[in-house]
Amino acid sequence: DAGVIQSPRHEVTEMGQEVTLRCKPISGHDYLFWYRQTMMRGLELLIYFNNNVPIDDSGMPEDRFSAKMPNASFSTLKIQPSEPRDSAVYFCASSQEINTGELFFGEGSRLTVL
Amino acid sequence: KQEVTQIPAALSVPEGENLVLNCSFTDSAIYNLQWFRQDPGKGLTSLLLIQSSQREQTSGRLNASLDKSSGRSTLYIAASQPGDSATYLCAGDNTDKLIFGTGTRLQVFP
Repeated sequence: DAGVIQSPRHEVTEMGQEVTLRCKPISGHDYLFWYRQTMMRGLELLIYFNNNVPIDDSGMPEDRFSAKMPNASFSTLKIQPSEPRDSAVYFCASSQEINTGELFFGEGSRLTVL
Repeated sequence: KQEVTQIPAALSVPEGENLVLNCSFTDSAIYNLQWFRQDPGKGLTSLLLIQSSQREQTSGRLNASLDKSSGRSTLYIAASQPGDSATYLCAGDNTDKLIFGTGTRLQVFP
């Protein structure tokens, strides 16, 4: 398996624009996580899915953020409208089990909002 | 609210030294603990997973231990090499979420 695949790797956009980040988890993994990493706050869990169903979205900072998982092999994280404070690296990760299973990360999407 | 502290925040050592990285949790009720490595511009790679029934794990030159009574974990790196240079993060859970520390940035020079 190619691992967790994220796109785009880098995104530069202007404030107010819509941003869509994409993730393909490892085949067979039932759990998918979206994290955000910044220098100030470290790595924060935004939302996670189990079998394509959102389980906990309490980490989503605002209503401007939304995430979907239409099938077992694809998920999106959308920010609309984007703001400069959303600039961060967004990671997608997947695992076979929650917490007792090894967590596999993608290489991240670096977002810069001007 | 669970918080995770990693000490030291940064470490620079010559090649060959044995290292100890520390991780502590404000809530000692940790079920599972993972140590990760992050290279610049990359995602996180899982190094060791200590499950709830375990107290330590070993992989090659790495050994991680977990003291649940104190909520502390230690990552031991033996005979460090320049290729070990990276940021090391610990993460623990006591519910259904992994909470990450801010990491220890390690530099091993030849």
